[in-house]
Amino acid sequence: AQRVTQPEKLLSVFKGAPVELKCNYSYSGSPELFWYVQYSRQRLQLLLRHISRESIKGFTADLNKGETSFHLKKPFAQEEDSAMYYCALLTGGGNKLTFGTGTQLKVEL
Amino acid sequence: NAGVTQTPKFQVLKTGQSMTLQCAQDMNHNSMYWYRQDPGMGLRLIYYSASEGTTDKGEVPNGYNVSRLNKREFSLRLESAAPSQTSVYFCASGGTSGGGYNEQFFGPGTRLTVL
Repeated sequence: AQRVTQPEKLLSVFKGAPVELKCNYSYSGSPELFWYVQYSRQRLQLLLRHISRESIKGFTADLNKGETSFHLKKPFAQEEDSAMYYCALLTGGGNKLTFGTGTQLKVEL
Repeated sequence: NAGVTQTPKFQVLKTGQSMTLQCAQDMNHNSMYWYRQDPGMGLRLIYYSASEGTTDKGEVPNGYNVSRLNKREFSLRLESAAPSQTSVYFCASGGTSGGGYNEQFFGPGTRLTVL
C-alpha cells in the first residue's frame, strides 16, 4: 500500500539558516510527488511538483527513487516560510493524493 | 473564478445532530474530494468522486455520506455527528493545470466541532 512519511512534526530554524523538510514514500508504481503548503488560517496550496522540476519561493525538491525520498530544501529560510508543509503522493490512477502527516516549519528571528 | 468554495466556515453541533457540508467548484474539474485534517494525522481522504455520477470511499469513510449533485457540487453529510468527527474539513477539486499537470485545488475549509 502507498504511504508518505514525514518524520518531523515540528522543525524550528533561524532566519537565514538552511531548511530541509524530509519526506519518504512507499509506492509500487511510478511516483508523482508534490509539496503543499498551508499558511496560517489559509487553504492548502500547491508549492511544487517533482515532475516540473521547479523552484518556487526558493524551495526545491528532488525525487530520489533509490532512497524513495522527496525532501524539500531551501538554502536560506525567511520568516514568511513559517507554515505547515505536506508531502503528497499521487495514486489511484492519478485520481487520489495520499498525504503525509505534515511538518510545521517555524522560522525564528 | 472563485475556485473551490465551501459552506459553512464554522459549525458547532451536538452529538447526534446531522448536517451537510457544501462544496462547489467553477474550474470544470471532473474530480472532487473531501478530506479531514486532524493534528498529527495530516489530511485523510474521506470520499472522492472521479466524475459526475460516481463516488468512492477513501481512507476514513465511516460516519459520512456524499452526493455528487452535478459536475460543480459535491456535498458531505454527517447523519449522526460524533465528537470524533470534530475536525477541519477540506473540499478539493482535481484537474489539469495550465502546464498540463495533475493538480488538486483546495477550498478554505470548514471547522466543525461536535460537543
